[in-house]
This record gives sequence, structure tokens and C-alpha cells, in this order.
Amino acid sequence: GNSVTQMEGPVTLSEEAFLTINCTYTATGYPSLFWYVQYPGEGLQLLLKATKADDKGSNKGFEATYRKETTSFHLEKGSVQVSDSAVYFCAPAGQNFVFGPGTRLSVLP
Amino acid sequence: SQTIHQWPATLVQPVGSPLSLECTVEGTSNPNLYWYRQAAGRGLQLLFYSVGIGQISSEVPQNLSASRPQDRQFILSSKKLLLSDSGFYLCAYARSNSYEQYFGPGTRLTVT
Repeated sequence: GNSVTQMEGPVTLSEEAFLTINCTYTATGYPSLFWYVQYPGEGLQLLLKATKADDKGSNKGFEATYRKETTSFHLEKGSVQVSDSAVYFCAPAGQNFVFGPGTRLSVLP
Repeated sequence: SQTIHQWPATLVQPVGSPLSLECTVEGTSNPNLYWYRQAAGRGLQLLFYSVGIGQISSEVPQNLSASRPQDRQFILSSKKLLLSDSGFYLCAYARSNSYEQYFGPGTRLTVT
């Protein structure tokens, strides 16, 4: 089955810093890849996705590129804001959805 | 547009009491439905998923069960709660031809 490895948190950054959250996966074939975000006390929201190799998903200033050769889908943002503080989950698609353990991001003003 | 509802939002129950959490989806037919549990500070654990009415797949052995009495209704139950059942329960759906999941607001369950 699919599996995901995410960098461990928590990640603490100052506002306007550059963000990278690493994600690598193992899967059968080439599944669609997702990043979800969970704000405190809420459910998960889809942040961005990529459906095939070399696709770049983007939303709200976040980006991630589907790298087939390294089976990675790292999340990046050039300048984080306090409002980006949340837990981020990487997930390869599949019938039995497998989420990464989540990376908690805290952005300080 | 599609929406997903969960209730209750919060619940405090004593050990040994029964549980019923409900999830309903609007705006789509024959969705795939999922129940997840999230322990404090942890990732998501898939508990059950369903591809149709009466079709339930269990991912882990536990004190919980799920049912899908209607196409867009998914219920999580327990006959006797344990302390270890405390957590944040999330329902999600995906359209039948997609793996993209949409989550409900969650139910925070505290077993005392």
C-alpha cells in the first residue's frame, strides 16, 4: 500500500520567512498527490494537488511539484504569514487514503 | 455545491456509554465516505470507508463500528466507549470517480 514520510515538526518561522515542508511517498504507480491543511479546531482543507509527474500545484502562495524520480512532493512558500500557522498533511491518493503524520507550522510575528 | 455536515461538534461521554456520530453529505450522489480519528497532536487514522449503501470496510480492529443506512449518511457507533476512544473524529467524502477528499468540521469526543 501507499505510505508517506513527512518532515517532523514543529516548524517555527518568523513572518516573511521561506517555508519548505518535505514529503516523500511510496506508492503503486503514479498517484495524484495532495497537500491538506488543518487550522486549529477544524477539519482538513485541500490546499493543493498535482495529478501527474512534473505538475505543479499551487494555492494561496503555496506550491508543490510532483517529482516522480525522487517520489517527492515538497511544499514551499516564499513568505509565510502568521495566518499560515496550522498543521500540514501530505497524501498520495488511493482507495485507502494514507495521510502523512502532519507537520505543525507556527509563524511568529 | 457539495457540503458535508457532522454532529455533534463536541461530546463528553463516560466510559462504558454508547456513541453515535453522524455525517451527512449534500450535493453529490454515491460518494465514497470515510471516518478518521485524530488523537491529540497526531496524524489521521483511517477507521472505516464505504463505497456504497451497506458496504463498509474496516481498517483497524477497534471498539467502533460504522454503518451507511442511506447514500449520503455515514454513522460511527460504539456500544461501550473506552478512554482510548477520545479524539477528534473526522468524516470525509470523495466523489465516486475521484480520490480528492473533502472533510467535515469534525467531532471532538472526550471520554471521561
